[in-house]
Amino acid sequence: DIQLTQSPSFLSAYVGDRVTITCRASQAINNYLAWYQQKPGKAPKLLIYAASALQSGVPSRFSGSGSGTEFTLTIGSLQPEDFATYYCQQLNVFPVTFGPGTKVDIK
Amino acid sequence: QLQLQESGPGLVKASETLSLRCTLSGDSISSSHYYWGWIRQPPGKGLEWIGSIYYSGSTYYNPSLESRVTISVDTSKNQFSLNLNSVTAADTAVYYCAGHGALTGSLWGQGTLVTVSS
Repeated sequence: DIQLTQSPSFLSAYVGDRVTITCRASQAINNYLAWYQQKPGKAPKLLIYAASALQSGVPSRFSGSGSGTEFTLTIGSLQPEDFATYYCQQLNVFPVTFGPGTKVDIK
Repeated sequence: QLQLQESGPGLVKASETLSLRCTLSGDSISSSHYYWGWIRQPPGKGLEWIGSIYYSGSTYYNPSLESRVTISVDTSKNQFSLNLNSVTAADTAVYYCAGHGALTGSLWGQGTLVTVSS
């Protein structure tokens, strides 16, 4: 199975900060990686697919990059509604796997 | 716009079978764009993929659950289903259905909480 790790697991930031979350895969997954935002009591929301493609309707302050085994999600200027938990997911091979999540909190 | 909706009992007794259904709207379950899958999230924890099915009937399961899981598709009703047998308290979770593809990411239903009671 492909293991995904995320760093940091928790981060505290101010509104307006630039935030970067890293997802590392235990083996190469091409660009078959997605990023999700989840707020309490809600389903995960797709932000980025194919490592860097912005899902329709997602603000342009969200961006993704990377390939192979290392990927990043960047929030260009953190907004109040961005405080949530973020997960990466690899879709290269079955079993599909998720990272453990990064919780972004208000400083 | 693809939309998915889970349905099924919110309470299941230990040792019995958890059965959920996912109904699609906005696309055909026979679409070649997606696999149709189930993911769960225990309270306060992360996401765990359970398994997926392609419209052709090919299935893929999480090895940790494979012995207890069956996913099936009903193309006439535009639905797919999850059966998880011999449940325990550890299976208490929010269960999500989703459509996913390697280059599309996953689009999720709203989720349904299933509690396993003793």
